[in-house]
Amino acid sequence: KNEVEQSPQNLTAQEGEFITINCSYSVGISALHWLQQHPGGGIVSLFMLSSGKKKHGRLIATINIQEKHSSLHITASHPRDSAVYICAVNRDGGATNKLIFGTGTLLAVQP
Amino acid sequence: DVKVTQSSRYLVKRTGEKVFLECVQDMDHENMFWYRQDPGLGLRLIYFSYDVKMKEKGDIPEGYSVSREKKERFSLILESASTNQTSMYLCASSPLGGRYNEQFFGPGTRLTVL
Repeated sequence: KNEVEQSPQNLTAQEGEFITINCSYSVGISALHWLQQHPGGGIVSLFMLSSGKKKHGRLIATINIQEKHSSLHITASHPRDSAVYICAVNRDGGATNKLIFGTGTLLAVQP
Repeated sequence: DVKVTQSSRYLVKRTGEKVFLECVQDMDHENMFWYRQDPGLGLRLIYFSYDVKMKEKGDIPEGYSVSREKKERFSLILESASTNQTSMYLCASSPLGGRYNEQFFGPGTRLTVL
């Protein structure tokens, strides 16, 4: 079993829909990251959080440390949001900066 | 902005060839990483380096080696390429210090071994 699990693996939405991607992890962590990868492109960091909630534009990330769960929400989705979204964690007590990755969620937003 | 560059976006090599993948970062970061990304498996750490000439094995180091002679450059070497090394290779860097830090990724090199 992977230490970081994401759901769903694939998601198709219509433009304007509210989208939620989930991430569960089974290890103690010091931080959780949400990353975005466009087709053929590199990976960019969207959020890094260790508690609570962060918001950037139409994107919201939440984390519940007790339940070992995080969600990434996209409000008013747009075709340009189509990408792979990856959850990753820094293991608590582990080597600084090493990340454990989920397998990603492929999101397609149709116009 | 942090910039991480990789020497090639696409590379085709033959089985048994020696392959060099190069990564350069311009933000004076101490940590550098090499990952491979495969469908259904996500990103897996091959090697990382936390200083010049320092390296540590990741989760899947077999068949790979690395070199870090200068702080800004981290090279991944496939001594004798095999077809099962066909993959997307991603380099990343991050600053040292703190309990956690954002990693900055390069654009990736899609390697095909025939």
